[in-house]
Amino acid sequence: GENVEQHPSTLSVQEGDSAVIKCTYSDSASNYFPWYKQELGKRPQLIIDIRSNVGEKKDQRIAVTLNKTAKHFSLHITETQPEDSAVYFCAAGEEGFQKLVFGTGTRLLVSP
Amino acid sequence: ETGVTQSPTHLIKTRGQQVTLRCSSQSGHNTVSWYQQALGQGPQFIFQYYREEENGRGNFPPRFSGLQFPNYSSELNVNALELDDSALYLCASSSTPGTGSYNEQFFGPGTRLTVL
Repeated sequence: GENVEQHPSTLSVQEGDSAVIKCTYSDSASNYFPWYKQELGKRPQLIIDIRSNVGEKKDQRIAVTLNKTAKHFSLHITETQPEDSAVYFCAAGEEGFQKLVFGTGTRLLVSP
Repeated sequence: ETGVTQSPTHLIKTRGQQVTLRCSSQSGHNTVSWYQQALGQGPQFIFQYYREEENGRGNFPPRFSGLQFPNYSSELNVNALELDDSALYLCASSSTPGTGSYNEQFFGPGTRLTVL
């Protein structure tokens, strides 16, 4: 079955810096890759997603890139702000199935 | 915030007991997936319900079972509770499989289950 690895487990940056979180997946059938942000005690919130027919997608300060050949995808946050502090999860899924396999999460801390 | 709701918010049970958790999907969504999130871990897929039938299952034993009702709300039932069942249980709703955006899953706030 699918296995998703996520790095780093923790990431500390200064406000205004960029942050990059990387994930790799094992199942070449996976073609849907969402990213979720989870604040302490709250639900995971979908922040951006990408499908396999696209190599990059951007939404304001957030971008995701996908390399299907290497089976990895990354989340890029520019101009980080303290409110970006949270745990970020990547996930992989397959078109036609609703199961998402999640990474282990990255705790991002943005210091003012 | 999504329109997905869950109840109860918190629950404390003892080993061997049974529990039922409830989820109401977002308006326009007819598919509900359930996930278990242990402390410090990512959510793990339990199963999904579509049109009142189970439509995929993760690596969870049969004592984890579910239902979906005609209004698309769903229940997760866990029998013979074990200490390791202590976790945050999340449901996620999504739209009809096959549509352009059906993969997008929106999570509810979760039910925190503690098994003593």
